[in-house]
Amino acid sequence: DAEITQSPRHKITETGRQVTLACHQTWNHNNMFWYRQDLGHGLRLIHYSYGVQDTNKGEVSDGYSVSRSNTEDLPLTLESAASSQTSVYFCASRAGGSYNEQFFGPGTRLTVL
Amino acid sequence: EDQVTQSPEALRLQEGESSSLNCSYTVSGLRGLFWYRQDPGKGPEFLFTLYSAGEEKEKERLKATLTKKESFLHITAPKPEDSATYLCAVQGGTGGFKTIFGAGTRLFVKA
Repeated sequence: DAEITQSPRHKITETGRQVTLACHQTWNHNNMFWYRQDLGHGLRLIHYSYGVQDTNKGEVSDGYSVSRSNTEDLPLTLESAASSQTSVYFCASRAGGSYNEQFFGPGTRLTVL
Repeated sequence: EDQVTQSPEALRLQEGESSSLNCSYTVSGLRGLFWYRQDPGKGPEFLFTLYSAGEEKEKERLKATLTKKESFLHITAPKPEDSATYLCAVQGGTGGFKTIFGAGTRLFVKA
């Protein structure tokens, strides 16, 4: 069965360190998204990609970057981790070309000390 | 500004006590409204898509409806296993293909 996976599931890091969260999907979807989820804010879009070599900023992109070198993967990098980036991060994918639902990964809980 | 507001923030029900969750939105040119269920420690799971006012979708004890300004998720005779956070999301307006999520309603069903 097709799926979307994230790794690691839990990560503790220190302020100022670079961190990369992995996202891998086997749906062969063109569209991929990164969200963060915090109490009271719901899901907020960090970055998204509509295909290989395409990346776009979402509403809370400061301090984050992504790259898309193939269809399956969209890694999220925190250039210099800050305590404000402590959150739960979700990756999602969606078939492109129309207004379709998204399929979400299990999430990564990141703590920045 | 495109916006999605869900109410109530939390809802506590007895098993069998039917109720509704509300999702109000301000999006010009709605293309799709989505309902997701999220269990603790997991990613959201897709439930329904509604595309136009008057449309209804059903799945087991859940029924989603859509008007021009809001959507309702009706839960009939809920069971404890229906306890979860329910998220509403929209596509359209200035966001185009991007999805805007509400903060969710946490539902607790007591046996």
